[in-house]
Amino acid sequence: DAKTTQPTSMDCAEGRAANLPCNHSTISGNEYVYWYRQIHSQGPQYIIHGLKNNETNEMASLIITEDRKSSTLILPHATLRDTAVYYCIVSDMRFGAGTRLTVKP
Amino acid sequence: EAGVAQSPRYKIIEKRQSVAFWCNPISGHATLYWYQQILGQGPKLLIQFQNNGVVDDSQLPKDRFSAERLKGVDSTLKIQPAKLEDSAVYLCASSLFYPGRWNTEAFFGQGTRLTVV
Repeated sequence: DAKTTQPTSMDCAEGRAANLPCNHSTISGNEYVYWYRQIHSQGPQYIIHGLKNNETNEMASLIITEDRKSSTLILPHATLRDTAVYYCIVSDMRFGAGTRLTVKP
Repeated sequence: EAGVAQSPRYKIIEKRQSVAFWCNPISGHATLYWYQQILGQGPKLLIQFQNNGVVDDSQLPKDRFSAERLKGVDSTLKIQPAKLEDSAVYLCASSLFYPGRWNTEAFFGQGTRLTVV
């Protein structure tokens, strides 16, 4: 079973920030947190990952709590093309059901 | 850089028949994963290889599923005999391996959509 839990679905207005939470309370000290997204009929696409520190790349930002038991993926300016299922996983590479993000005009 | 290649893209078979899927990972990626994704669910890890050795196959239904990666490069996943509930997308992914680090980010192929009738 996956070590992560995420809300089933979320909505976000186009142009606003999308904040997707993830709980991973049983994460081990050397396990990374990874975020992927999957658009219909495609394989999952890597977004970002981190261990302890917050991370940012051209796609998103990742905020990890100090106790590492939860994290938040931030899409700073969501577009309609960001509508997808977002998965938070740890280093064991086991996926849960993810969060279905719908960006609305 | 070429991505993870999978074939075929689609396959329809009758129950009790056998089927095989092929995956060619990104060049230099030592770690290879096979996933099963049933419609509406997240990908389920079936097996993980490190070069040609199995790291984790705890969720592989070994009575009917088998996988191999003989030369540590490409891999095949086989189902024999297939059941109706095996209808799913089978995804292959690969990643680099750095000693001392659990995993690096994985890159996924487009998947093979299997329909068992």
